[in-house]
Amino acid sequence: SQKIEQNSEALNIQEGKTATLTCNYTNYSPAYLQWYRQDPGRGPVFLLLIRENEKEKRKERLKVTFDTTLKQSLFHITASQPADSATYLCALDSGAGSYQLTFGKGTKLSVIP
Amino acid sequence: NAGVTQTPKFQVLKTGQSMTLQCAQDMNHEYMSWYRQDPGMGLRLIHYSVGAGITDQGEVPNGYNVSRSTTEDFPLRLLSAAPSQTSVYFCASSYSGVGTDTQYFGPGTRLTVL
Repeated sequence: SQKIEQNSEALNIQEGKTATLTCNYTNYSPAYLQWYRQDPGRGPVFLLLIRENEKEKRKERLKVTFDTTLKQSLFHITASQPADSATYLCALDSGAGSYQLTFGKGTKLSVIP
Repeated sequence: NAGVTQTPKFQVLKTGQSMTLQCAQDMNHEYMSWYRQDPGMGLRLIHYSVGAGITDQGEVPNGYNVSRSTTEDFPLRLLSAAPSQTSVYFCASSYSGVGTDTQYFGPGTRLTVL
């Protein structure tokens, strides 16, 4: 069956360090993978998208990698700040022509001052 | 632009009651979708629409109906609410689909069924 797993429910890191979140998937052949941020009581907000033929994508302090052989995406936040504390969700489509986006359960990141 | 709006923000129902969750967007997006979010389960797709007059089922459609008579609106109907439908419901929209399109989410509706 299809499955998306985010490495841990919660991750605590010290301010200034790099946070690394993992998204693994099985029985999918996604053309794209997306990352979202969700704050308590609010809807998810889009952060980054990476295509299957891209190895890496950057946006300011954010970096996403996509390894279709390992079926894994890594999401990095460098120089983390307390304001980065939130739940981060990965999401992927079911392949070309799919109109369904499936989300992982998320990783709650806490950046400790 | 208001983006994606949802009403109501909170709702309490009794088992067996019906209600409609409203979702509207002013971005002229063709694709709209409904998710429910439960603790430990993540976001799960209920129904989606690729344009006015076209809807399809997602992962967890049972107990829910949708219609799309206009581009702007995508209401979600609960015909006979059950306690298992207690959840937070999010509506989302995007330009045309899910692949390369950013999904814009509404603020959510927190529903409790007693």
